[in-house]
Amino acid sequence: DAGITQSPRHKVTETGTPVTLRCHQTENHRYMYWYRQDPGHGLRLIHYSYGVKDTDKGEVSDGYSVSRSKTEDFLLTLESATSSQTSVYFCAISPLGAGNTGELFFGEGSRLTVL
Amino acid sequence: TQLLEQSPQFLSIQEGENLTVYCNSSSVFSSLQWYRQEPGEGPVLLVTVVTGGEVKKLKRLTFQFGDARKDSSLHITAAQTGDTGLYLCAGRSVGNEKLTFGTGTRLTIIP
Repeated sequence: DAGITQSPRHKVTETGTPVTLRCHQTENHRYMYWYRQDPGHGLRLIHYSYGVKDTDKGEVSDGYSVSRSKTEDFLLTLESATSSQTSVYFCAISPLGAGNTGELFFGEGSRLTVL
Repeated sequence: TQLLEQSPQFLSIQEGENLTVYCNSSSVFSSLQWYRQEPGEGPVLLVTVVTGGEVKKLKRLTFQFGDARKDSSLHITAAQTGDTGLYLCAGRSVGNEKLTFGTGTRLTIIP
């Protein structure tokens, strides 16, 4: 199994509070991704990173920010959580990028509930 | 935003039956992947197809990539209870670092 650890695995918070989810990898893969999964929507990309300090937006990036100061860590921050951000968040890593058929390796997910 | 529509959204069949699920888009993809996800876990890759018309077999699972590289299908022969799960297709466009996922098909195999 790919070495991906997400923390926390479960979190309940209140509207308006900041939340940070952490993804840690031991594979030294270049690409890291944050997805959210909601019923009827599959997996939707929030942000991704193609190297240290190199990040880009996905299709549902509003209300989220990310940082990658080290190869192994990719942080997802909700500056002011809203109920619409209640979801299961998945981190994924990939050794390959554009032009490749790179497999994504997923973490076990972080379930966030915003009350 | 490229959309990948999967059908059916839900499928419940008896063990031993055959089934096909579909993944359709109006966009062309350089490659398409199928993932399977079990409750409480992240998706796991089943297969990657890259050539229009390509067919890949993985034991009882047969994957096909459409000739125009806009659609794909997954056929399961003699379904088993262990096949139960959420099946997700995901497409990657040429030169795109992002993988777009479909809406998913939740499959339940009844013993």
